[in-house]
Amino acid sequence: DGGITQSPKYLFRKEGQNVTLSCEQNLNHDAMYWYRQDPGQGLRLIYYSQIVNDFQKGDIAEGYSVSREKKESFPLTVTSAQKNPTAFYLCASSIRGLAGEEGTGELFFGEGSRLTVL
Amino acid sequence: GQNIDQPTEMTATEGAIVQINCTYQTSGFNGLFWYQQHAGEAPTFLSYNVLDGLEEKGRFSSFLSRSKGYSYLLLKELQMKDSASYLCAVRGYGSSASKIIFGSGTRLSIRP
Repeated sequence: DGGITQSPKYLFRKEGQNVTLSCEQNLNHDAMYWYRQDPGQGLRLIYYSQIVNDFQKGDIAEGYSVSREKKESFPLTVTSAQKNPTAFYLCASSIRGLAGEEGTGELFFGEGSRLTVL
Repeated sequence: GQNIDQPTEMTATEGAIVQINCTYQTSGFNGLFWYQQHAGEAPTFLSYNVLDGLEEKGRFSSFLSRSKGYSYLLLKELQMKDSASYLCAVRGYGSSASKIIFGSGTRLSIRP
């Protein structure tokens, strides 16, 4: 079945450690996204990628890094520079949303990764 | 800049109708989405509007006015399972067509 897989589902990290969250999709989507969600809040965009080997900062990119070496994969690294990393992280993919593309361009989400810093 | 506003919380009664509003100010616009999110889960897609007007899908309808930067989600015949957060999101335009920004969400509680 097509979809998005995030791992791990739960992750604990000590302060000062980097951690990488995995996101893989087999929907053949060009665009991929990382969002952060804090309790009772909406989704805030960390990074997004429109195509392989390209990515752009979202609204809260500081303390995070990404790579897009393959169409299917968009891993997120939470670095020690991120001051308050405890949150729910959601990966998503979609078509690029350009004129002429078929479909609504809705986001398809993974199940999320819950990161807790001890 | 970009700004998407929604009410923080709403309460409604089972069987009734509720309207959740969303206003947006963005540098470019190429469509508005509504998502439903139950606590601890990923959001699920409800609707998409790119042209002015009303889109109906079962108990849920979504309306868009591009000139006013305004949308609403209408939920009819409310059920207890509709208790969730409802997120409004806007897609950018042109070189930002892949950028999708969310509002803070509206937490809807349904009472019997």
